[in-house]
Amino acid sequence: AQKVTQAQTEISVVEKEDVTLDCVYETRDTTYYLFWYKQPPSGELVFLIRRNSFDEQNEISGRYSWNFQKSTSSFNFTITASQVVDSAVYFCALIGTDSWGKLQFGAGTQVVVTP
Amino acid sequence: GAGVSQSPSNKVTEKGKDVELRCDPISGHTALYWYRQSLGQGLEFLIYFQGNSAPDKSGLPSDRFSAERTGGSVSTLTIQRTQQEDSAVYLCATSLRGLETQYFGPGTRLLVL
Repeated sequence: AQKVTQAQTEISVVEKEDVTLDCVYETRDTTYYLFWYKQPPSGELVFLIRRNSFDEQNEISGRYSWNFQKSTSSFNFTITASQVVDSAVYFCALIGTDSWGKLQFGAGTQVVVTP
Repeated sequence: GAGVSQSPSNKVTEKGKDVELRCDPISGHTALYWYRQSLGQGLEFLIYFQGNSAPDKSGLPSDRFSAERTGGSVSTLTIQRTQQEDSAVYLCATSLRGLETQYFGPGTRLLVL
């Protein structure tokens, strides 16, 4: 069985602060894929990043960065210098090769950025 | 079109009526998925189509729910004899192939009175 846990329900920050979202996953698959999606108030799920289980290199893309650690089964996501437009619900998700097509989502973390 | 489209955007129906929700995938995407998002249950997988293979229906909550995908393109999710607990946002996603990144449509908000 697969499970994705996002322990943070809501995070509130002031603009320009950094925000780190935690994600812990469980899977028995040796090959799997991890994702972060953003859901702004408009409701549409927007793909942000994808990581393969065999690639632990952490990267930065603009104001986004992620920290993937297989040893602790964590896939944390950071927004640097947050902006009001970053206010949204952020979902961590997992697909394993034994569960083709089925994205297993975490419960989501609401990020509120105030000016 | 550039992205996944869904219709209608909103649907209000009476308990016991049937509803059909439509999904138009990104051109060339062979895999199509339906998910449901509700307050109490979060985001749940419903069904998955991959090419001409038999769909994975393991997430459908009851036999009142069914889906089809015609010609490997447009998909329709049908809910028969709707119940109030069916009220949710129904999201469609597509990807090039299974295990590839899924891109979501704007969803259909269903309200059953």
